[in-house]
Amino acid sequence: AQKITQTQPGMFVQEKEAVTLDCTYDTSDQSYGLFWYKQPSSGEMIFLIYQGSYDEQNATEGRYSLNFQKARKSANLVISASQLGDSAMYFCAMDSNYQLIWGAGTKLIIKP
Amino acid sequence: EADIYQTPRYLVIGTGKKITLECSQTMGHDKMYWYQQDPGMELHLIHYSYGVNSTEKGDLSSESTVSRIRTEHFPLTLESARPSHTSQYLCASSEGVGTDTQYFGPGTRLTVL
Repeated sequence: AQKITQTQPGMFVQEKEAVTLDCTYDTSDQSYGLFWYKQPSSGEMIFLIYQGSYDEQNATEGRYSLNFQKARKSANLVISASQLGDSAMYFCAMDSNYQLIWGAGTKLIIKP
Repeated sequence: EADIYQTPRYLVIGTGKKITLECSQTMGHDKMYWYQQDPGMELHLIHYSYGVNSTEKGDLSSESTVSRIRTEHFPLTLESARPSHTSQYLCASSEGVGTDTQYFGPGTRLTVL
């Protein structure tokens, strides 16, 4: 069965440091997509980055990059030069049967 | 990026009341979704639609119902609200092609007393 695992319930990171949020997935599909979303305390879900299973290069969007290791079935989100505004919940998700399977999320707190 | 709207943003209501949560998107997306999320927890899909007159139940059993009469509108209705319905409800839409990225509305925080 498809599953997303985020093993870090919470993380504290000093401002301006880089941070890696872990995500592992389980699927028997050959073609799939992986997504990261940010959810601030206000509640909305903000799309950050997408990685397709056949993409040879890791996806990047500004300060966000996705460290995709297909053999290990991991899709970690890397945030460079963290900012106070990065404090939020972060969710990893995978498409499956035209729906999204969601991880439990990681709460990231950036310390000044 | 989709423009997707939800009203109300916050709702406090008594047990037994009928409520409708509104969701509209202006991007012409075929697919729309409703999720339920308790604070700090993962999202659970409760309903989705692939287009007009198409509605399906998601993985999480829900006493709510939905309709899709117009492409841009996907309201969710609870006939008789109960305290167990207290949660955040998030609406999303996607194109249905390509990466099929889902874009979310701001959410409705529902409290049933």
